[in-house]
This record gives sequence, C-alpha cells and structure tokens, in this order.
Amino acid sequence: AQSVTQPDIHITVSEGASLELRCNYSYGATPYLFWYVQSPGQGLQLLLKYFSGDTLVQGIKGFEAEFKRSQSSFNLRKPSVHWSDAAEYFCAVGSYNFNKFYFGSGTKLNVKP
Amino acid sequence: DTEVTQTPKHLVMGMTNKKSLKCEQHMGHRAMYWYKQKAKKPPELMFVYSYEKLSINESVPSRFSPECPNSSLLNLHLHALQPEDSALYLCASSPMLGQGDEQFFGPGTRLTVL
Repeated sequence: AQSVTQPDIHITVSEGASLELRCNYSYGATPYLFWYVQSPGQGLQLLLKYFSGDTLVQGIKGFEAEFKRSQSSFNLRKPSVHWSDAAEYFCAVGSYNFNKFYFGSGTKLNVKP
Repeated sequence: DTEVTQTPKHLVMGMTNKKSLKCEQHMGHRAMYWYKQKAKKPPELMFVYSYEKLSINESVPSRFSPECPNSSLLNLHLHALQPEDSALYLCASSPMLGQGDEQFFGPGTRLTVL
C-alpha cells in the first residue's frame, strides 16, 4: 500500500541555519513525489516535484530535494532558512493512474530569530 | 491565470442549513478535486472529477454533494452537516487525470458548523 512518512512533527531552526525535512515513502512503482508548503489558514503551494531523471530537483524559494530510491526518501533541504519559511510542509506521493495524492502527516517548521 | 479561487473564504452554518462552496479555475485543467483538512492534519481526498464526471468518491457521507457544471467550476453542496464536519475545505485542479501531474490548490474555505 502507498504511504508517506514524515518522521518529524515539529522542527525549530534559527534564521540563517540550514534545513532538512525528512520524507520516506512506500510505493509499488516509480513514484511521483511532491513537496508542498502551507501557511496558516492557506492553501497548499507546490515547492518542487520529482517525476524522473535527475535525482536532485530544484524548487522555488531556494528549496531543493533529493530522491534516493535505495532509501525510499525524498528529503527537502534549504541552505539558509528565512523567517518567512515558517509554515507546515507536506510531502506527497502521487498515484499515476488517478492523480491520487498520499500526503504525509506534515512537519511544522518554526524559525527562531 | 494560474490560480484556483474558492468562495466564500469563511462559512458558518447551522446543522439544518443548506450551503454551497464554489471553486473556479481558468487554467484549462480537466481534473478537479475536493479535500477536507482538519487542524494539524494533512488534506484528505473527498472527490475527484475528470472531464466533469465524478471519478473518485472516497466514501464521503451523502450530506456532501459535489457538482461539476462545467470544466472551470466545481461546487460542493452541504446539507445537514455535523459539527465534526468543521474544517478547511480545499479545492485543487490538475491538467488531466492519470498523468501524475501536480495539483494546484486554492486557498480554501474555512467551514464552521454550529
């Protein structure tokens, strides 16, 4: 069965520090992987996606993610966090057949001044 | 135009009321989705439409009734809701079903059922 695990419920980092948010997936075929960000009371904004090809993908707002098939992981990284990055981050795996997304439980990022 | 719009932003209704949520996109997408999101939880898929036809219903109670009158518009009709239905309702769209595409999300409607 398809599933997505985000092991960290909350993460706090200092502004300017680097960030890594973890995501592990379980999927029977080649996964379509996404990272979305959600500010409080808002909809979800796509940060980046992986379908195939280069395993390091670049996204918006300076984010990148690396697909590691051997570890079933798709971790999100940013070299220097800004206070405006404080939000909830969701990893998702997409089902090719029906565009059905399986979301992780989310990681809430707090940024210390 | 690359956005999905949702109205209203907030809705408060009693358990005997009938109300509707509206979602619109003008990106030419042919797949549209309704999600329900409770506080501190990920979005849960409710319905998927493809070419204005219902493709997926995730065993949603009949007090939620979706409608897709045309390729740009998606409605969610609400009737006899329960307080536990209070949540953020998100609409999303994607170019087509079955392509693994990203979904574009609207800002959501915050629903409170009294």
